[in-house]
Amino acid sequence: KAGVTQTPRYLIKTRGQQVTLSCSPISGHRSVSWYQQTPGQGLQFLFEYFSETQRNKGNFPGRFSGRQFSNSRSEMNVSTLELGDSALYLCASSLAGQGQLGDQETQYFGPGTRLLVL
Amino acid sequence: GNSVTQMEGPVTLSEEAFLTINCTYTATGYPSLFWYVQYPGEGLQLLLKATKADDKGSNKGFEATYRKETTSFHLEKGSVQVSDSAVYFCALHGSGNTGKLIFGQGTTLQVKP
Repeated sequence: KAGVTQTPRYLIKTRGQQVTLSCSPISGHRSVSWYQQTPGQGLQFLFEYFSETQRNKGNFPGRFSGRQFSNSRSEMNVSTLELGDSALYLCASSLAGQGQLGDQETQYFGPGTRLLVL
Repeated sequence: GNSVTQMEGPVTLSEEAFLTINCTYTATGYPSLFWYVQYPGEGLQLLLKATKADDKGSNKGFEATYRKETTSFHLEKGSVQVSDSAVYFCALHGSGNTGKLIFGQGTTLQVKP
């Protein structure tokens, strides 16, 4: 089975621009979660989507948004980019409600999109 | 709220040495616990997991036991290799907190030949 894929892998933007990142989950996984990784703050949860609905959200400003499509693929968007948005953005997929109880919450991560804001 | 605390790094060991990376957590209910590993320039790889108290997760020679009495999930390996050099993250998934993993700050392991 193919793993989680993310595109693009690298991105350079300037302050004030917006960016859209894409994530394709493992086939059969219906939940997609997004995380931001920075040296200072570590790994922080952005939001989670399941069946095209946002089910959970972290403490990020409204500039960070996402969506999920009927095929479970997900996108996240960051508007009005700031220098502090430079980070590695990781998405992860899970079975969430399917399979054995112990397996449902297990998240599998993609390689990430490295965003640099100048 | 839920939280995870890992031992500070970096940890530097010689090849074939014994590894322990400490992880303790704070959570209500019965969280699931995970160890992930991140190699330079890559995403996170699931190393092992445990979903209930006294469960032992194991993979590639690494082990961790879910200890509810001490709220710990320490990672161990009997004999490390240079290829184990990476950053290790302890994480928990809290009861009812859908899709959200809470991570420790990560511990960098460097193994020297």
